[in-house]
Amino acid sequence: IAGITQAPTSQILAAGRRMTLRCTQDMRHNAMYWYRQDLGLGLRLIHYSNTAGTTGKGEVPDGYSVSRANTDDFPLTLASAVPSQTSVYFCASSDSGSGGTGELFFGEGSRLTVL
Amino acid sequence: GQNIDQPTEMTATEGAIVQINCTYQTSGFNGLFWYQQHAGEAPTFLSYNVLDGLEEKGRFSSFLSRSKGYRYLLLKELQMKDSASYLCAVMDSNYQLIWGAGTKLIIKP
Repeated sequence: IAGITQAPTSQILAAGRRMTLRCTQDMRHNAMYWYRQDLGLGLRLIHYSNTAGTTGKGEVPDGYSVSRANTDDFPLTLASAVPSQTSVYFCASSDSGSGGTGELFFGEGSRLTVL
Repeated sequence: GQNIDQPTEMTATEGAIVQINCTYQTSGFNGLFWYQQHAGEAPTFLSYNVLDGLEEKGRFSSFLSRSKGYRYLLLKELQMKDSASYLCAVMDSNYQLIWGAGTKLIIKP
């Protein structure tokens, strides 16, 4: 049972480059989320999707885009990476929309460094 | 703005009990969550409280009393493997999760 899988686990990227972080879940959860985690700060929501075909902006969406073509996949794209996007990115899913009351299941994280 | 406050770091001894408090200022309340996160790993769900009361799962308990302002995670019979960060999160009136920065718990022998 894979649960939720992210790729890559780690990446060093030159500023200005385009980067897509992949996220796949096999739990058939409706809702999926992308968070970033920075030292000393709580998890911050970038984008979310309550169901396939819909997406929404979170707390810090600028510089990021997402798509939700099907239930399983929720890629996060940085169109032109900047150093402030250096962070650990977590994808998560739940079986309730808008966070609901369901617990979140997290991927193992993608550590991104933008130079 | 919305805010979650919890201690940055706590130290406890193996076998002891520790209480991690969480205070919040959010637009509405639809539940309080606790997650555990070991260094370099993903957060994992521990507990959820929406009504006042105690939720117990083995050595871990989470308590909520909105009227009295008590919200905490209690860890009993501490083990070395409990060394981790403990994240408090509150679901606001829009069903969005607001996260605290986490409490790093250090367990000493």
